[in-house]
This record gives sequence, structure tokens and C-alpha cells, in this order.
Amino acid sequence: EEQLVESGGGLVQPGRSLRVSCAASGFTFDNYAMHWVRQAPGKGPEWVSGISWNGLIVDYADSVKGRFTISRDNAKNSLHLQMNSLRVEDMALYYCVKDSGPEWIGYPRDAFDVWGQGTLVTVSS
Amino acid sequence: EVVLTQSPATLSLSPGERATLSCRASQSVSSYLAWYQQIPGQAPRLLIYDASKRATGTPARFSGSGSGTDFTLTVSSLEPEDFAVYYCQQRSNGLTFGGGTKVEIK
Repeated sequence: EEQLVESGGGLVQPGRSLRVSCAASGFTFDNYAMHWVRQAPGKGPEWVSGISWNGLIVDYADSVKGRFTISRDNAKNSLHLQMNSLRVEDMALYYCVKDSGPEWIGYPRDAFDVWGQGTLVTVSS
Repeated sequence: EVVLTQSPATLSLSPGERATLSCRASQSVSSYLAWYQQIPGQAPRLLIYDASKRATGTPARFSGSGSGTDFTLTVSSLEPEDFAVYYCQQRSNGLTFGGGTKVEIK
């Protein structure tokens, strides 16, 4: 069974840093692009960042560009999101998401076919 | 960035009724639109991709149609487990989600 399990969420003060991680199992991790998608309470999902199968292509939503860094370790089947200079508006449930293709730019027909249960990031003083 | 507008915001229906959900894009996304279902307390789940293709495990009562800027998700006969929030998503130009349509029990 394809499975994604997030970890690392918690309470952090504005301006501080946090790293969330995702452990993947049940599929060939290095065949697929991976993403982080967040969802604030009562709101719709928002794409945050994506990384290609080999880690060479990364992209970010404008709202987090320059503050967040996505990375992956294909040897350990893991995905990470380093979040710096956190803001109150970054508070959300952060989902680790598998793409159905190796990349997303140039693969518009593909979609997000496996989601984790999310890890909650709370930003508050 | 492509903006996706979903309507209505809330749909109140009874089990067994037909549900028709709309998603409109601010510019053409060709057929590159997906639909997700989110049950409260759970992660979103992929239902439809490429506008009309059912994902693995999606029941046949769910169907998607449309191209360009106007898309529709139809549930032919609502089952109790179908009452949820539905989101559309495009990745033709950037990667954006719609605001969602809540299908609630009347």
C-alpha cells in the first residue's frame, strides 16, 4: 500500500524555523515528483512546493519563495521541507503529496494521487 | 496564475439525488483539470484527472467533463459517503486549487 507519513510539525514563534519531513513507503519513491501542500483551517488546499524525481527541479509558491526549501533523499525514501522566517499566515496542516508523474512542469495531465495525513504547523507567539 | 472559481459554494441534496458541481478557470487549461474529495478530518483524495478520467478506486457514479475554462463534476446518485467538500485543481499554468464546493445532506 502506498503510504506517506509526515512528522515534525509543532508550535513555533513567528520568525523562527521548523523542518517537516515525510516518510514514503509502498512505491518506488525515486520514480515520482513530490510536493508539499498546505491547508489552513477552513480553507482550501494551497500548493507550497514541488521537487522532481531526481531533485533537480524545484519550485515554490510565491508566498514561501526565499523562505522555504524542499529536498528529498531517495536513498531513504524521504521528503523534507525546511521552513525559515515563519509567519502567522504559514500556520496550516502540511500534507506530503505524491505526484503521478516524475515531474509536474510539462506534465499537466498528471495529478496528486497519494496524500499523507498531514502535520500541523502552528505559528504563534 | 490561473484562478479557479467553484460553484455553488454549498449544495444541499438528499441521498440518491444527482449532484452537479462547477469549476471555471480564468483562462484555458485545456483538459488539465483534476477533482479531489475531502471528507472532514481526512486528507483530500484524487477522484478525477485530465478532466474526465477516473482515478483508481473512484466509483463509476462520479464523472467529470469539460475543457478550456468550464468543467463539471457529476455524482449520478449520492451515497451517504459522498457528502464532503470537493476541490478542482489545475496544473496547466502554475498549480492552483479552487475554493471548494461543500455537498451537504439536505
